[in-house]
Amino acid sequence: SAVISQKPSRDICQRGTSLTIQCQVDSQVTMMFWYRQQPGQSLTLIATANQGSEATYESGFVIDKFPISRPNLTFSTLTVSNMSPEDSSIYLCSVWVGTVAKNIQYFGAGTRLSVL
Amino acid sequence: AQKITQTQPGMFVQEKEAVTLDCTYDTSDQSYGLFWYKQPSSGEMIFLIYQGSYDEQNATEGRYSLNFQKARKSANLVISASQLGDSAMYFCAMRDALPFEGGSEKLVFGKGTKLTVNP
Repeated sequence: SAVISQKPSRDICQRGTSLTIQCQVDSQVTMMFWYRQQPGQSLTLIATANQGSEATYESGFVIDKFPISRPNLTFSTLTVSNMSPEDSSIYLCSVWVGTVAKNIQYFGAGTRLSVL
Repeated sequence: AQKITQTQPGMFVQEKEAVTLDCTYDTSDQSYGLFWYKQPSSGEMIFLIYQGSYDEQNATEGRYSLNFQKARKSANLVISASQLGDSAMYFCAMRDALPFEGGSEKLVFGKGTKLTVNP
């Protein structure tokens, strides 16, 4: 498995501000993934972060709103910019760990964000 | 496009009994992976069990087993001897082909099933 440290674990923010979420993995990984889970909903992939290149965003998510950094193979940040109450969600980072025969995606503990 | 369907928004089970959570999937890939995750109220996503499309035997992990019926495209999770701590949301997810097979490494999730274990 992998140890994935994500912080902050929760935050309450004011409308119009930005929050940066950090994700640290205990081993080097090629890709890191960022998900959003809105209240009562399933997980939706925001973007895939590769070290040394621009993140790849899914449909409906843009870099200006969710800038991502990936400075090395064990760390990534996701910023939620110019927040509105609709951004209140759980944000999770994840990585693949394993072999070709059995590759598992493990998640950080999540960041529970409330925007007032 | 891949799709995961979980038709049970909520399930109830008595402590110590077994429960089956349903999951059906749709894909045109021959190679894919199926996962189950547990999400307690704390919000973390806990990996439970994995089944590869080429695995001939159903996966088992302790009290969890995956009833994999490839022809029916179903991957139901069976929890035996339910415990109060099993109360949580359960998500079924699918990965398409591996990158060297032309896949994307993305996971697609179902809507989840809320399991409540009653004492």
